[in-house]
Amino acid sequence: DGGITQSPKYLFRKEGQNVTLSCEQNLNHDAMYWYRQDPGQGLRLIYYSQIVNDFQKGDIAEGYSVSREKKESFPLTVTSAQKNPTAFYLCASSSSGTVSNEQYFGPGTRLTVT
Amino acid sequence: AQSVAQPEDQVNVAEGNPLTVKCTYSVSGNPYLFWYVQYPNRGLQFLLKYITGDNLVKGSYGFEAEFNKSQTSFHLKKPSALVSDSALYFCAVEGDSSYKLIFGSGTRLLVRP
Repeated sequence: DGGITQSPKYLFRKEGQNVTLSCEQNLNHDAMYWYRQDPGQGLRLIYYSQIVNDFQKGDIAEGYSVSREKKESFPLTVTSAQKNPTAFYLCASSSSGTVSNEQYFGPGTRLTVT
Repeated sequence: AQSVAQPEDQVNVAEGNPLTVKCTYSVSGNPYLFWYVQYPNRGLQFLLKYITGDNLVKGSYGFEAEFNKSQTSFHLKKPSALVSDSALYFCAVEGDSSYKLIFGSGTRLLVRP
């Protein structure tokens, strides 16, 4: 899983609570990404950041928020507005914001909301 | 719109036999294509990519993929499968923005001893 860490590995929350997932990288990569993975589906992009203090919505940003205050950190908050938050969340980074550079993934956080 | 399809949910192969995991794509323009592998409860690992040039791309762990423009395919292959190759494999294509990857739904590869 390279130099990307995600914590915690498993996270349990009650419905209606916001929760923040951590993602840290020591690869000196400029770009960072958050994906959601559901069974039988590919990865779907939630948010993307090309540089510090800048980020863009992906395909399924509703109910999520991010920040990029430091190059190495890109935390994801799953808000109570996210209708179906239970999923496996993956953080990734790449050396630039162009897709020709492969993305390196963290080990993931499995979030369960009941 | 850019899209990628993996027509097989699961591929079963005996150890030592060749394996193929299929991927077809639909893009406008020249495609950037990728293969990733995911082991249980882990993140994805990059295997190989096609940007331009030789249609046969070699990657990690003995895997290779063949880009076929006329058939819009990018099948993943390995001459001799190992039990340890058993995992979930994802094909991906560049999306409509240069930063975005569009992933297929994944193919589970099961290599039996």
